Order: sequence, then C-alpha cells, then structure tokens
Amino acid sequence: NAGVTQTPKFQVLKTGQSMTLQCAQDMNHEYMSWYRQDPGMGLRLIHYSVGAGITDQGEVPNGYNVSRSTTEDFPLRLLSAAPSQTSVYFCASSYRGPPVINAYEQYFGPGTRLTVT
Amino acid sequence: GENVEQHPSTLSVQEGDSAVIKCTYSDSASNYFPWYKQELGKGPQLIIDIRSNVGEKKDQRIAVTLNKTAKHFSLHITETQPEDSAVYFCAALGSGTSYGKLTFGQGTILTVHP
Repeated sequence: NAGVTQTPKFQVLKTGQSMTLQCAQDMNHEYMSWYRQDPGMGLRLIHYSVGAGITDQGEVPNGYNVSRSTTEDFPLRLLSAAPSQTSVYFCASSYRGPPVINAYEQYFGPGTRLTVT
Repeated sequence: GENVEQHPSTLSVQEGDSAVIKCTYSDSASNYFPWYKQELGKGPQLIIDIRSNVGEKKDQRIAVTLNKTAKHFSLHITETQPEDSAVYFCAALGSGTSYGKLTFGQGTILTVHP
C-alpha cells in the first residue's frame, strides 16, 4: 500500500491564483481530513469528510473548498490564494471517524509546502 | 470547542535522560488522547494513544498518563536517544460542536544531544 499520497510537494502561487492540492489513499479509509501546520500553532483542521459525498468544515475553512466524489480522493481547492494561506498542508485518513466516539489512528501524508507571494 | 495547550514548546535533553511533555484540554467529555511524532520533512505519525477508561499506558520507552479530573495528560520518554529528536504533538478528541474532531496542541520540539 502507498498509504496517503499528496501532490505536489512544493508550490509557489501568486496572490489571487487558484489551485488544487491532491490527496489520495489506498487503505479504503472512510474518514479523510485536511490540516494546515503553521509555526507555534500545531495542526488546524480545515475540512473533513466521513465518506464519499459528505464533507464538513473544520476550524479554519475560509478560503478553501473540498469535495469527496470517491472514497480514495479528497482534493483541497484554494479559490483565490492569499499570503495568509502560506503554510504546510497535510492530508490524513483513518478507518473510522465521526460520529463514532472511539477515533482510530489517523495516517498522514507527507505534506505540501505552499508559498503565496 | 475543544482547546488543547501543550508545554514546553522546546525541550533539550542529554541522551539517556527522560523527557516529559504535558498537555491540558478543556472539554471534559473528551475521551481519546493520541500523541504524534513528526520527523523533519514528514507527516505526523501516531506513537501512542490513551482512552479515558485507563490512567496510564506504556509501550517500551514511551508512556502516557491521563488525569481526567485535572484534564491533563503527559508523554514520558525514558532513556532518550538521538533518534527521538522530533516534534511531538498531543491531541484530544472533542465532543459537542467539536464532536469527532481531533484538536492538536501547539507542538514540542524535542532535541536529544548525544
């Protein structure tokens, strides 16, 4: 199994440009999520999905869109990039998520480092 | 929603010493507390977790303790080795408006000097 894969590894955007960060997993996990990691702020949840066709907002959803048309893929779209979106983005998946109380291990991808100038 | 505070932000120890990282959480209904290790250039990886029905869990050189009354939990690493150097994150599974969402602490940069 490849686990959780993310593309691209690095990306530089100009303010106002749009792009899609790709995330895929081959573990047949139901739950997928996107986090951003900024210095001193840990990992903050952007959006998550409990299965194909179902998505919900996390802690910092503004400026980002997601969709989940298949179990395997969970792309994150930046609609109009802003310098405040400069960050490292991680996608994660787990076997089971909300509304089950006992969360299962989340597997993280290697991350995408995004710079917006 | 859930709020998780993690201390210290940086920790430097000599090889063979013990390291302790502490976290507090705000939602008394939270019942799952994982710890993740992130090596340079990689995504976080689960190293140990604890559920609210136990007070301590151990796995070789790492252990986690949980005090539900005080709403805090800690990671203990004994006999530290240079390969333990990494960023460590604690997290808590929220309830209510944060139901099912993992909230992470700010992270601790652990450096183990040979």
